[in-house]
Amino acid sequence: EVQLVESGGGLVQPGGSLRLSCAVSGFTFSNYWMSWVRQAPGKGLEWVACIKQDGSEKYYVDSVKGRFTISRDNAKSSLYLQMNSLRAEDTAVYYCAREGQWLDAFDIWGQGTMVTVSS
Amino acid sequence: DIQMTQSPSSLSASVGDRVTITCRASQNVNRYLNWYQQKPGKAPKLLIYTASSLQSGVPSRFSGSGSGTDFTLTISSLQPEDFATYYCQQSSITPRTFGQGTTVDTK
Repeated sequence: EVQLVESGGGLVQPGGSLRLSCAVSGFTFSNYWMSWVRQAPGKGLEWVACIKQDGSEKYYVDSVKGRFTISRDNAKSSLYLQMNSLRAEDTAVYYCAREGQWLDAFDIWGQGTMVTVSS
Repeated sequence: DIQMTQSPSSLSASVGDRVTITCRASQNVNRYLNWYQQKPGKAPKLLIYTASSLQSGVPSRFSGSGSGTDFTLTISSLQPEDFATYYCQQSSITPRTFGQGTTVDTK
């Protein structure tokens, strides 16, 4: 079964750090671009970052550039998001998502992990 | 960045109704336009990719059309399980951007 399972969310103070993980199973992880997408409470979807199959290309939404780092470990079939200098506006459910081959769309999503930035 | 604007933001409909949601891009995205369905507390689900291709396992009552800057998602006969929020998303350039969402609720 194709599956993405996020972990690492929680409550963190403003200015703090958190590392999210996404464990992948059921497909060859190293063949796919991967992304993080977030959703603030009661709000819409916002793409955050993506990473190429071999990790050689990474892209970020402007609001997280310099604070967040996306990475992957193909040997462990895992995706990561290191989040530093967290702000209240980073509070959201964070989803990892696979960009389907030939689809140019997010065809598989995890269940999400909640990040709350509050004092 | 490409801005995506959906209309309406919400609509009320009945089972069996034909429902149409539109999405407009601030610049040409060719056919790199996708549609997702999201139910409360759940992850989004891909319905349509590259404007009109139906994702595997998605009922044929869902269809998409358009190219360039104007796109449409149509549900031909609304079913009880279709009450949800729908998002368009462009995959023409990075950053990938989503519309603000259209909530379909019961009339």
